[in-house]
Amino acid sequence: GAVVSQHPSWVICKSGTSVKIECRSLDFQATTMFWYRQFPKQSLMLMATSNEGSKATYEQGVEKDKFLINHASLTLSTLTVTSAHPEDSSFYICSARWANIQYFGAGTRLSVL
Amino acid sequence: AQRVTQPEKLLSVFKGAPVELKCNYSYSGSPELFWYVQYSRQRLQLLLRHISRESIKGFTADLNKGETSFHLKKPFAQEEDSAMYYCALNGGGADGLTFGKGTHLIIQP
Repeated sequence: GAVVSQHPSWVICKSGTSVKIECRSLDFQATTMFWYRQFPKQSLMLMATSNEGSKATYEQGVEKDKFLINHASLTLSTLTVTSAHPEDSSFYICSARWANIQYFGAGTRLSVL
Repeated sequence: AQRVTQPEKLLSVFKGAPVELKCNYSYSGSPELFWYVQYSRQRLQLLLRHISRESIKGFTADLNKGETSFHLKKPFAQEEDSAMYYCALNGGGADGLTFGKGTHLIIQP
């Protein structure tokens, strides 16, 4: 149980376009999901907390207009990287919280050309 | 501000030897501490949480509030323990996790 699916696993896009990443809890409902970013050879950094039915809470230094988060149902949160630029290239990982434990997706590697 | 420090980027030990992965934290309240493991080409998965006080795959970790540490230990390492290990802190409520930089554990045959 407690499986989190993240899609796509890898995406390449042109600079200036937008990319949407989906995070789904497959066998449980999650009122809270989280989005992390991981730079090469570095740790995971929390970007934002996604709350079902309300606005996301962003960490300091994360542009909310750049990284749009929608959590419209108890099993789905989406992260949209708007007007992507090469510096947005990174590994994005979501997690969903259940019974006070965070379960992680497999991550999405974004490459912006 | 909360912080998690894992001083070793890489730790290499021989099979059968004891293993200790260090984790220190700074947090003003009472945090919840976790160890997550990432095997090659797999996602992060929970290994231990301090409140459960259990042993998983032979690993244990004790929260020492005086030393603000949550070191991960295993008395006899196995080759399948080779992985990336992350110590993480939850400040409480619905907060996200603060991760250390991770320790790459290599178990040599």
